[in-house]
Amino acid sequence: SYVLTQPPSVSVAPGKTARVTCGGDKIGSNSVHWYQQKPGQAPVLVMYYNSDRPSGIPERFSGSNSGNTATLTISRAEAGDEADYYCQVWDSATYHYVFGTGTKVTVL
Amino acid sequence: EVQLVESGGGLVQPGGSLRLSCAASGFTFSGYSMNWVRQAPGKGLEWVSSITSASTTVYYADSVKGRFTISRDNAKNLLYLHMNSLRDEDTAVYHCVRSGSGWYEFNLWGQGTLVTVSS
Repeated sequence: SYVLTQPPSVSVAPGKTARVTCGGDKIGSNSVHWYQQKPGQAPVLVMYYNSDRPSGIPERFSGSNSGNTATLTISRAEAGDEADYYCQVWDSATYHYVFGTGTKVTVL
Repeated sequence: EVQLVESGGGLVQPGGSLRLSCAASGFTFSGYSMNWVRQAPGKGLEWVSSITSASTTVYYADSVKGRFTISRDNAKNLLYLHMNSLRDEDTAVYHCVRSGSGWYEFNLWGQGTLVTVSS
């Protein structure tokens, strides 16, 4: 089965840039979607089709995808960006959706 | 208001059954594929099952195939998950999730309902 690997944690200073990676075999040939989940809340879509932002998501959030790594970039990080972030793809080989292992972003 | 509200969770013994429901409102339910995604306590997200808008196609994760059944009633704006032969490892919060227009992304999530499998 297809595996998406994320770093367990990423720390960033306020105002700086955080990059959350999502590794998978030839992931660049797939479309990657990203979700933000704050404690006690349901996940929220923050990036879809690699680099499209849903309405209401700040421009500080951007995405890219190439080769074996997709990246969610959070610019000018704020305390409110602290959350768990998950990447996700559709695996057309197995007709399964696959989530990444998740990354806890801490702003300190 | 556009929302998804799950119900039906609770405590069930191993080997037991449970039916989850999800009430959709604020959008044209019949126009979207729908999904269930679960999250075990302290763990990550795990996709469970999906159903297309007219129920023509369903998909299941390997971990639940043969035990869980997804269905929907477009006239009542309801999504269901019938869970049989429940195991300890099925303990999780189950989220009802709407697919985006492109099918591949999940753009609306419910708060979830907790299922606890324990003797």
